[in-house]
Amino acid sequence: AQSVTQLDSHVSVSEGTPVLLRCNYSSSYSPSLFWYVQHPNKGLQLLLKYTSAATLVKGINGFEAEFKKSETSFHLTKPSAHMSDAAEYFCVVSEAGGTSYGKLTFGQGTILTVHP
Amino acid sequence: KAGVTQTPRYLIKTRGQQVTLSCSPISGHRSVSWYQQTPGQGLQFLFEYFSETQRNKGNFPGRFSGRQFSNSRSEMNVSTLELGDSALYLCASSYLVGQETQYFGPGTRLLVL
Repeated sequence: AQSVTQLDSHVSVSEGTPVLLRCNYSSSYSPSLFWYVQHPNKGLQLLLKYTSAATLVKGINGFEAEFKKSETSFHLTKPSAHMSDAAEYFCVVSEAGGTSYGKLTFGQGTILTVHP
Repeated sequence: KAGVTQTPRYLIKTRGQQVTLSCSPISGHRSVSWYQQTPGQGLQFLFEYFSETQRNKGNFPGRFSGRQFSNSRSEMNVSTLELGDSALYLCASSYLVGQETQYFGPGTRLLVL
């Protein structure tokens, strides 16, 4: 079985300061991990994806995430927040086998607020 | 390439009615998945279709059903609507099943009165 826990429901930062959105996962098989972003009244946009090729994954808009197997974590970071980063972010896991194969399991989401 | 499209974008129904939502995947993608998003339950997996066959199903009642056509377009149907079915329904497509990246459409917002 697979599960995802996003450790913060809300994160607030000032424009130009670093962003850290935390995610822990659980998986019985080798997982693929994703971060998606959802702007208000929009669908989900893929930020980045981890599939075991490299533990540090770079995504769009300056975001990156590091896969740490020993800590079962996949935290999302950005060096400098921009006003347009304000949105809801979802950490997602997909398993390589078992009954969850092909099914995405989402975290509860983290709402990022960026202050001027 | 055009992205995933969903129709209609907004829908208002009353309890007891049924509704059909449509999803057209990215050209060449053969897998279509459906998700329900609500404020209380978050994003939950409904089902996944590949080559016209349902390959996986989430924990939803039988009132929720779907199908996929030979051109990979998919529909989902909800019968006997309940107030709790009010949600954003998201469709996602990928080239294959498994751990492929899924690309999402804009969603259909359903309001049940």
